[in-house]
Amino acid sequence: DAGVIQSPRHEVTEMGQEVTLRCKPISGHDYLFWYRQTMMRGLELLIYFNNNVPIDDSGMPEDRFSAKMPNASFSTLKIQPSEPRDSAVYFCASSLGQGYNQPQHFGDGTRLSIL
Amino acid sequence: QKEVEQNSGPLSVPEGAIASLNCTYSDRGSQSFFWYRQYSGKSPELIMFIYSNGDKEDGRFTAQLNKASQYVSLLIRDSQPSDSATYLCASTDSWGKLQFGAGTQVVVTP
Repeated sequence: DAGVIQSPRHEVTEMGQEVTLRCKPISGHDYLFWYRQTMMRGLELLIYFNNNVPIDDSGMPEDRFSAKMPNASFSTLKIQPSEPRDSAVYFCASSLGQGYNQPQHFGDGTRLSIL
Repeated sequence: QKEVEQNSGPLSVPEGAIASLNCTYSDRGSQSFFWYRQYSGKSPELIMFIYSNGDKEDGRFTAQLNKASQYVSLLIRDSQPSDSATYLCASTDSWGKLQFGAGTQVVVTP
């Protein structure tokens, strides 16, 4: 079975540009999570969706960040305008249900560098 | 701020020995605990999870949970060089959201 698929794997862009990260969850999974990982702050939850509906976006750092899930098989995380401090690895994860015995499965991540 | 604490390491372990990783959590409402392995430059990979007090074994891995002490651990038996990675401990809150620790780096030396 295909795992969580993220694109692009690497993104290098200049400050001020719009960045769009994409994620395809595991088929049948109804929860989707966006994380950011940096050396300083570790792995942080940004936002998560249940059945395509955003449930908790309290981890989104600023209004420059937005996320959508137009259907069960696709989600985007957008940064506009981007800043150098947004440089990090962004992971998407999905799970079947959300409970004490429902592990999250991670994609390979997008390594983002803002110059 | 509810937190998950781990020693950052590195934890140096001779090949064939047992690696013992520890994790404490502050949220008494946490229901379950997950251990992920992350190789450098790769994504977190689930090893196992535990939600009942006691031990849970899966191959060379054993997770131990003590809710009274708010303590969870991971034992890796017969450590191999391929076990060299960062191990992330995570707890779930009542909503099922994961709170990750900073991770423990394990180095298995031949």
